[in-house]
Amino acid sequence: SAVISQKPSRDICQRGTSLTIQCQVDSQVTMMFWYRQQPGQSLTLIATANQGSEATYESGFVIDKFPISRPNLTFSTLTVSNMSPEDSSIYLCSGVSGSPVDPDTQYFGPGTRLTVL
Amino acid sequence: GENVEQHPSTLSVQEGDSAVIKCTYSDSASNYFPWYKQELGKRPQLIIDIRSNVGEKKDQRIAVTLNKTAKHFSLHITETQPEDSAVYFCAASPYGNKLVFGAGTILRVKS
Repeated sequence: SAVISQKPSRDICQRGTSLTIQCQVDSQVTMMFWYRQQPGQSLTLIATANQGSEATYESGFVIDKFPISRPNLTFSTLTVSNMSPEDSSIYLCSGVSGSPVDPDTQYFGPGTRLTVL
Repeated sequence: GENVEQHPSTLSVQEGDSAVIKCTYSDSASNYFPWYKQELGKRPQLIIDIRSNVGEKKDQRIAVTLNKTAKHFSLHITETQPEDSAVYFCAASPYGNKLVFGAGTILRVKS
């Protein structure tokens, strides 16, 4: 299984500023994703982080607001730009190992709890 | 796109009883259906999954059934224990390992 860590674990930010969240996986994964989980809600996919190329965004999410990088197979960042209180949420990254034994299992990071004032 | 509906939203059972959570999906191309357990303040943890070429899978007290024709799948937990109390999410994967999640079920096991 893949062990995924995120930094920071939480932050409180002022509106109009930006925050970059880091996601580190302890082993190579084929796919990495970013999700948002609003308080008391389910998980919503923001985008697929593609290694060395632009991320693929889901409907309702755009690159200018949520720029994503994935420079290698084990690391990705998500930036929440020009934040407003509506961006207050938990942001989670995930990875899929793609191994023959475990091809589809998606492991999640612990999440970053963001509060925007 | 894929849409996953999950019921019930809350479920209270007595310790030792069984719990059943049901999900339906809309996209017949979905071929992978995991179930996650999320405790308060923690990350979602995979508890069981099933692929579209299998009708049922069991792991100790947990089982999942899949009906591809009806596009629904269910989680069954037997002999529930207080530590089973958590939020449970079903999900479906239409393609590319993407997951579309259900709204979640809060399970409370009363001792």
